[in-house]
Amino acid sequence: QSALTQPPSASGSPGQSLTISCTGSNTDIGEYDFVSWYQQFPGRAPKLLIYEVTKRPSGVPDRFSGSKSGNTASLTVSGLQAEDEAHYYCGSYGGTKNLILFGGGTKLTVL
Amino acid sequence: QVQLVESGGGVVQSGGSLTLSCAASGFRFSDYGMHWVRQVSGKGLEWLAFIRYDGRFQHYPESADGRFTISRDNSKNKVYLQMSSLRPEDTALYYCAKIMATTVVTDFDYWGQGTLVTVSS
Repeated sequence: QSALTQPPSASGSPGQSLTISCTGSNTDIGEYDFVSWYQQFPGRAPKLLIYEVTKRPSGVPDRFSGSKSGNTASLTVSGLQAEDEAHYYCGSYGGTKNLILFGGGTKLTVL
Repeated sequence: QVQLVESGGGVVQSGGSLTLSCAASGFRFSDYGMHWVRQVSGKGLEWLAFIRYDGRFQHYPESADGRFTISRDNSKNKVYLQMSSLRPEDTALYYCAKIMATTVVTDFDYWGQGTLVTVSS
């Protein structure tokens, strides 16, 4: 069982907006602003989409945005495109005992 | 451009040992901490280990049982993961990953393509 909880699946139609949640606790997501999101296509390595809750690395479309409220972080994909169909993983700083925590992943399907 | 290339995976019998390597290029390796992460086929990501830029600090999950050891050789631009007493449940794709900023260890901006470890019973 993963330390961070994500819904196993999410789906939306092209052009829609969709939000994926990532729930932790007050000792990880709730305490630190070090949440990251990764996109992974089948057979490929994960790619950093969002870091430090809201920041986007260069080259990541601004359709991808991150936020946090309490112990839950969220990834929002606006204007869904077929190419967004992938697995999405959240990660968080877990403090000195567990440096890095990952969510179990969410499979995003574009209908 | 940044490249991370893992090697050393393969098939090993239960109870055996293996050392994975990750060769880095395209950036000042000695300035960045590095991680190992694994992924069981069809499953999620599991963080395994972190090593600081100078190799003087390593960190493992609280649940770690001491079978894995991370190390690095900055003169060779390589990071290693020594694995012992391997079990079938260690079968996975093992990735090395680079941290994005020298002061924040949680954001992995580059990943290798992974090396597959298969532990047979």
